[in-house]
Amino acid sequence: KAGVTQTPRYLIKTRGQQVTLSCSPISGHRSVSWYQQTPGQGLQFLFEYFSETQRNKGNFPGRFSGRQFSNSRSEMNVSTLELGDSALYLCASSLLAGVNYGYTFGSGTRLTVV
Amino acid sequence: AQSVTQPDIHITVSEGASLELRCNYSYGATPYLFWYVQSPGQGLQLLLKYFSGDTLVQGIKGFEAEFKRSQSSFNLRKPSVHWSDAAEYFCAVVGPNNDMRFGAGTRLTVKP
Repeated sequence: KAGVTQTPRYLIKTRGQQVTLSCSPISGHRSVSWYQQTPGQGLQFLFEYFSETQRNKGNFPGRFSGRQFSNSRSEMNVSTLELGDSALYLCASSLLAGVNYGYTFGSGTRLTVV
Repeated sequence: AQSVTQPDIHITVSEGASLELRCNYSYGATPYLFWYVQSPGQGLQLLLKYFSGDTLVQGIKGFEAEFKRSQSSFNLRKPSVHWSDAAEYFCAVVGPNNDMRFGAGTRLTVKP
């Protein structure tokens, strides 16, 4: 079966712009989580959605937001982009809410802010 | 707070040699622990996980890990490394927000 699909794979944006990233989970998976990966900070939790509701949120500013649709697909939005937002953004899906049984990750969206 | 530490940033081993990647955790109760692998430009793939029970956990690709409560460790091992094992390896623990907390990663280089 298809894995976790993230689009686009690569993105270049200018400071001050906003960006929307998309994630389609594995069919049947209802939980989607987002992580930011940078060389300096490593992998950091952004938020988790389950059944269209945000269950948990990491320590990121309000410029970072997300949502989940009824088909479990999720989008992540970053407004007023800063240079420090350049990162690999990873989406992960799981069958149920919570991370206890492990995630299946997508290949990520590489965002570059110039 | 729950966290994991991977003391080795970079390890080089020869193909065919054994491998051990270290992971130390900080958690009061029995932690939920994971090992993931990331190839360049790719997402993370789950190698194995530990919740409870048998302290020696078998994973995919011939990897295993041993949970040692007395040493607060969850080290990853493989008896014979293949060139295709070259990648970055992450240890992780479930945090209080039910999020995954990752270590900084260990980059593995395999010499021919």
